[in-house]
Formats: sequence, structure tokens, C-alpha cells
Amino acid sequence: DGGITQSPKYLFRKEGQNVTLSCEQNLNHDAMYWYRQDPGQGLRLIYYSQIVNDFQKGDIAEGYSVSREKKESFPLTVTSAQKNPTAFYLCASSREGQGKKTQYFGPGTRLLVL
Amino acid sequence: QKEVEQDPGPLSVPEGAIVSLNCTYSNSAFQYFMWYRQYSRKGPELLMYTYSSGNKEDGRFTAQVDKSSKYISLFIRDSQPSDSATYLCAMSVLGYQTGANNLFFGTGTRLTVIP
Repeated sequence: DGGITQSPKYLFRKEGQNVTLSCEQNLNHDAMYWYRQDPGQGLRLIYYSQIVNDFQKGDIAEGYSVSREKKESFPLTVTSAQKNPTAFYLCASSREGQGKKTQYFGPGTRLLVL
Repeated sequence: QKEVEQDPGPLSVPEGAIVSLNCTYSNSAFQYFMWYRQYSRKGPELLMYTYSSGNKEDGRFTAQVDKSSKYISLFIRDSQPSDSATYLCAMSVLGYQTGANNLFFGTGTRLTVIP
């Protein structure tokens, strides 16, 4: 089955703790994205990567970090600097270059603060 | 002004009704238009994809693009309770822009179809 997997489904963070959300895709897509979704605010872009070993900040990158060491993987770390991390986090991927810009999403990770 | 505007609803309709969901946009360079459906606590799934102006039909779903008015619509015929979800529009420019994020989303419209 081709697709995007995210883990864990639920994640609990204590004060001052860094946590890492996993995103893996087997679609052979070049580009990957992280979004945060809050009620009534739609999708907000955190980081995106168009190629291995390169990534760019999105609209709300503060308090987050990413890495892109492999084409298939784009983990997101929510650092202690992110003061309001409770949200639904979505990973997506797409082909790059000319053509479709359609993004395909994973099932999401819900992060809650203890 | 946001690139993409979408009425958040909520929208409630009786089963069997025709549903119209809409988005407006400000960037005339948008050429690709998408609709995603998102069930509660799930990731969005691609529902419809259109390029440039015109209509595209897929079963009970019709996507319509009016570039002159910068307006896109998704129509759902014979709506079912299983259509209850949040619908997000998305759009992007033609061509490849290195280092740029090319996809812009609306905030989503929450739809409930009442049996």
C-alpha cells in the first residue's frame, strides 16, 4: 500500500519537553510538508522540504524543527520553545517540478500537553 | 487579505439535499484547484482536482471553477450522512517555483447532513 504514515496517533508532552512526530511516505514524492491544524484556523504551514537535506520555514516555524536526511522521512520536533503546542499535526507529500501540486496527507498526530 | 477565503459554516442540510460549497481567491495566477474532504480526527483526503476553468464531475460531486470571478465551487448531489465532514479548498499556481510553497488552503467548511 502506498501512502503516508504518521506516528504516534496521540502524543502527550510535559512542560519543557521536546517531542518528535514521525512522518514516513512510500510514494516516492520529493516534497514533504508539516501543517498544524487548530479549530477554526484551517491548515497552517510549519515547515516544508522540496528535496533531501533542504527545508524551508513556513508561516509558523517558531518552536519547531525538522530534518530531511532521507527522501521517505520528514520528522518534526516540537521544542519546549513552542508555548502552545496542543494541536492536530498533519504531514503531507507531493511530487515536485512541473505538473500537479496536489498534496497527499497522512492520518495526523494529536499532541496534547500534560 | 487572505489568498483564499472560505466560509467556515457550519452548514447543516437534510439528507438528499444539494450542497454548494464555495471559495474565493485573490491571486489570478492560480491554475490548479482542489477540494479535500476531512472527517473528524482524520487527515484530509483529495476529493476533486481541476485545472483552469470549467466543470468536472465525479459521481455525486461536481467541481466548478470560474476564473473570471475568482470563484470555485463544489456541489454535492443527493447528499448523504456519510458526506458529513469538513471540506477544504486548495489552489496553486502554474509552474514550478524553487523554494516556494505553491499550495494555498481555505480554512474549511464544516458540513453536516441530517438523516
